[in-house]
Amino acid sequence: NAGVMQNPRHLVRRRGQEARLRCSPMKGHSHVYWYRQLPEEGLKFMVYLQKENIIDESGMPKERFSAEFPKEGPSILRIQQVVRGDSAAYFCASFKGGQETQYFGPGTRLLVL
Amino acid sequence: SQELEQSPQSLIVQEGKNLTINCTSSKTLYGLYWYKQKYGEGLIFLMMLQKGGEEKSHEKITAKLDEKKQQSSLHITASQPSHAGIYLCGADGRTQAGNNRKLIWGLGTSLAVNP
Repeated sequence: NAGVMQNPRHLVRRRGQEARLRCSPMKGHSHVYWYRQLPEEGLKFMVYLQKENIIDESGMPKERFSAEFPKEGPSILRIQQVVRGDSAAYFCASFKGGQETQYFGPGTRLLVL
Repeated sequence: SQELEQSPQSLIVQEGKNLTINCTSSKTLYGLYWYKQKYGEGLIFLMMLQKGGEEKSHEKITAKLDEKKQQSSLHITASQPSHAGIYLCGADGRTQAGNNRKLIWGLGTSLAVNP
């Protein structure tokens, strides 16, 4: 049973470009969280999605950031017009409804030049 | 808002020594999670505690949650170089059962084990 997959593992973008981060949850998991880990800071919750629904986006900046989890395919975190402050490690975690444990992917490390 | 404090911030121990990492919440917890992160990698789930006074062990790692459900400790016995990494505690601050399990995190404890 494959774990949570994230790609790309590393992403370099120039200011103003778009970044697309993908997360494939574990098989059978229909809940996905996205967290961001800024340098020298802890993990921060961004958004919680179930299949085709955004449940809680209270941690996600209102502008430039969006997330989706379609019926088919991976969850996508999209950052438009990236700025240097977006440089961070972005982790997704999935869990199966009814269970408590969140399983994390290896993360995508975004560097904005 | 809920805050989670971890201590110590960093720790260097000699192989074979025991160590304890603490995690304190400003509010009562619905659940407390311990994860380990190796440098530059993802988070590996260690243990989850939910009941006051609960204690769980896996190999040489023991985690406890106090009766008030506001403080947890992670104890490693006879540490090995493979234990090195960043230990993170995550708090589930829900006041009642529900599906939103977003976690609030401590800043982590960086552990180095010298052979």
